[in-house]
Amino acid sequence: KQEVTQIPAALSVPEGENLVLNCSFTDSAIYNLQWFRQDPGKGLTSLLLIQSSQREQTSGRLNASLDKSSGRSTLYIAASQPGDSATYLCAVWYKLVFGAGTILRVKS
Amino acid sequence: NAGVTQTPKFQVLKTGQSMTLQCAQDMNHNSMYWYRQDPGMGLRLIYYSASEGTTDKGEVPNGYNVSRLNKREFSLRLGSAAPSQTSVYFCASSGSSTGWLGGNQPQHFGDGTRLSIL
Repeated sequence: KQEVTQIPAALSVPEGENLVLNCSFTDSAIYNLQWFRQDPGKGLTSLLLIQSSQREQTSGRLNASLDKSSGRSTLYIAASQPGDSATYLCAVWYKLVFGAGTILRVKS
Repeated sequence: NAGVTQTPKFQVLKTGQSMTLQCAQDMNHNSMYWYRQDPGMGLRLIYYSASEGTTDKGEVPNGYNVSRLNKREFSLRLGSAAPSQTSVYFCASSGSSTGWLGGNQPQHFGDGTRLSIL
């Protein structure tokens, strides 16, 4: 059974820092991997989707990488801002399985 | 753009009552999904529909039923609510036509229904 783990569970950083969120999965036979953002009391917003044949995707200050062989993905956030404060979740397809998320707080 | 709309946003039920959660999307998506989100458990898939007229069980379907009324609407019914079904319920849709098994299209989520069962 696929298991997805996100480390750290919570992270607090000062504004302007570059940071990395980690996602690991136990079964490397994935179809794709998706990173989401969830604001308090809201639904999930898709940030990046990486196909299994790709190694990374970029959108603005966000860069996500995927290493299927090692069962890992990272989400890199450059020059963090207070508006980036949210919970970040990763999810892997084949039979979509979500991690529990990393709660990010960016202090001004 | 409305995206995915869920109603109601909040609901309190008594044990044994029934209720239907409504979901509609305006993106002409093939696949629709119902999830529940619980503290420490993450999101878990209850049911999904890969196309109009088809539905399939996800990871935690017991106690729930669904209806894909048309391409836009996908409802979730609790026939006899139990306290263990207290959760936040999310509906999502995607352009993928492969449902839960895989997809190359991102999922779009509604804002959720917060359901408490006493």
